Amino acid sequence: GQQLNQSPQSMFIQEGEDVSMNCTSSSIFNTWLWYKQDPGEGPVLLIALYKAGELTSNGRLTAQFGTTRKDSFLNISASIPSDVGIYFCAGHPNAVNYRKLIWGLGTSLAVNP
Amino acid sequence: EAQVTQNPRYLITVTGKKLTVTCSQNMNHEYMSWYRQDPGLGLRQIYYSMNVEVTDKGDVPEGYKVSRKEKRNFPLILESPSPNQTSLYFCASGLSYNSPLHFGNGTRLTVT
Repeated sequence: GQQLNQSPQSMFIQEGEDVSMNCTSSSIFNTWLWYKQDPGEGPVLLIALYKAGELTSNGRLTAQFGTTRKDSFLNISASIPSDVGIYFCAGHPNAVNYRKLIWGLGTSLAVNP
Repeated sequence: EAQVTQNPRYLITVTGKKLTVTCSQNMNHEYMSWYRQDPGLGLRQIYYSMNVEVTDKGDVPEGYKVSRKEKRNFPLILESPSPNQTSLYFCASGLSYNSPLHFGNGTRLTVT
C-alpha cells in the first residue's frame, strides 16, 4: 500500500539536544498526524494538523502542516530520556482513498542521558 | 478511563489452530481498525470498520477475518494461523475515519 516517506529512520542524540524529523509525500494530504510509540505499548497521538501552514505545539513538541500540503515536520526541543521511542507520521490523502490513513515507517529515537 | 482493551497481550499457538484476539473500546467510537506491526514494515492495516456491521479490507487482509456486531467490540479471527502471521497486533478506534486513533496496548502473537 501507499506509504509516507519519513526521515530520518533513526536518531541517537544527547539529552538536551533538539530533534527534527519530517514526513513527505508525492501527493497532497488533508490531515497530518504525529504519534509516539513507547517500547511495548501502542502508539499515542502527539499532535493532529488539519490545515495547510498550521503550526501546533504540545509542550516541547512542535509540528507543522506544510504549505504545499505534501509534507509535515515534528520538532522536539531539549530532549529528555523519556522521549525515547518510535515516532510515526500519518495522514489522510486528498484522493479517492481519502478515508484511508497512510503511515510512515517511523523514526526511532534514542536519547543518551 | 477511556481506553481500547485487547486480549490477550501475549499468545503462542501452533499452525492451524483457530484463535481470536478480542478488542473492546469504551469511547462509543464508530471507527475501529486492526493493524499488524513488523520490524521494518511499520504499521499495516488488516481490516477496518466504519460502523456496526460495516467492515472492509485494509492492506493485508489475507488470512484474517473480523466482525462488528456491536459498536464496542471488534474481534480479529485467525481461522488457520500460519507462522507468517507471527507479529505484534494493534486494535485502534476513533470517532470517525478521519479522527485521531486511540490504540490498544498490543497483542504479541507467535505461531509455531
